[in-house]
Amino acid sequence: ETGVTQSPTHLIKTRGQQVTLRCSSQSGHNTVSWYQQALGQGPQFIFQYYREEENGRGNFPPRFSGLQFPNYSSELNVNALELDDSALYLCASSEGLADSSYEQYFGPGTRLTVT
Amino acid sequence: QKEVEQNSGPLSVPEGAIASLNCTYSDRGSQSFFWYRQYSGKSPELIMSIYSNGDKEDGRFTAQLNKASQYVSLLIRDSQPSDSATYLCAVNWSGGGADGLTFGKGTHLIIQP
Repeated sequence: ETGVTQSPTHLIKTRGQQVTLRCSSQSGHNTVSWYQQALGQGPQFIFQYYREEENGRGNFPPRFSGLQFPNYSSELNVNALELDDSALYLCASSEGLADSSYEQYFGPGTRLTVT
Repeated sequence: QKEVEQNSGPLSVPEGAIASLNCTYSDRGSQSFFWYRQYSGKSPELIMSIYSNGDKEDGRFTAQLNKASQYVSLLIRDSQPSDSATYLCAVNWSGGGADGLTFGKGTHLIIQP
């Protein structure tokens, strides 16, 4: 069974630039959620994709957007980067919304630094 | 505002003892509860999930849920130095997942040899 993978591992961008982060879900999982984790904080929910549609969204501005592809992999796009966007970005996959257990499994994360 | 509260620690426990980690949450309608372990510089790893009142045991770990008191805890028996990590409590409010998971800030646990 293949776990959740993310790329790239690390990324350095300049304020105002745009970035795309990628995630491949665990085998058999059709739901992907994205989280932002600042240093010393718990992860914060950005949004979730289920069967290629955004299913829910946390308190993040529209410059955070995403996609899910037919193979259930996903992208997180952030436009107009700000210094406060520097964080660990985590992707988590789960078996789907109908599953009452709704266990989410995280990938290794992408460390984004905005200078 | 739905919140999950944890004592940030550090919580220091001697090797071989029981480590007790606590978490409270604000929404009485919460459906699912999870404990994740996060080593420094790594991503969170799921340890336990619990959905109904009572205890759930898995190896050295026991999760306890009390929905009336809005309280969930994690006990680690026979603590090992490798258990030293930050433990994150997470809550799913809606059951359908559209709200994602809400996490506490985590408790930093140190197991002293």
